[in-house]
Amino acid sequence: GQSLEQPSEVTAVEGAIVQINCTYQTSGFYGLSWYQQHDGGAPTFLSYNGLDGLEETGRFSSFLSRSDSYGYLLLQELQMKDSASYFCAVLSGNTPLVFGKGTRLSVIA
Amino acid sequence: GAGVSQTPSNKVTEKGKYVELRCDPISGHTALYWYRQSLGQGPEFLIYFQGTGAADDSGLPNDRFFAVRPEGSVSTLKIQRTERGDSAVYLCASSRPGNEQFFGPGTRLTVL
Repeated sequence: GQSLEQPSEVTAVEGAIVQINCTYQTSGFYGLSWYQQHDGGAPTFLSYNGLDGLEETGRFSSFLSRSDSYGYLLLQELQMKDSASYFCAVLSGNTPLVFGKGTRLSVIA
Repeated sequence: GAGVSQTPSNKVTEKGKYVELRCDPISGHTALYWYRQSLGQGPEFLIYFQGTGAADDSGLPNDRFFAVRPEGSVSTLKIQRTERGDSAVYLCASSRPGNEQFFGPGTRLTVL
């Protein structure tokens, strides 16, 4: 089967940097995606890593290490609007995305 | 262009009733996915369509759940003899094959 582990909650200060880790166990791994979901809203795509290394998109970066079955999402210059749940999701074989349980990020002043 | 739309946004029903949830994907997206999300959990895969056919329905919890996509566009998720445990937000997503999934706003189903 497939499983993903990520912290359930993280709190960080406005303007700071926060890293949300994700470890996974799966067979036929293709890549790791990250999604953001505000309360009552739909998940929205943030990034995808198919290869090892860092992908940067504005204030958000995502990292993958296939050998360690590990990735993280890095959020810089945190803003209050970044308060949301963040999900890592594994793409493997021909199966659709398998999501982690999510990390609830609270940004405080 | 328009995103993924889902109707109704909220559905309250009684235990034992039949419900249909509708998803209208982004035009041109051949892949369509249904997920179920409970409070504090990530989306849980139910079924995946490529075109009109169900490519993977391994996530459907039991035979009370069924989904169709007869013309390769709009999809309907059907739940028979609803149970209180079916209460959740049902999310639909669409994509071009191999690309990122775009999610709809979801239908919040409450079974009393």
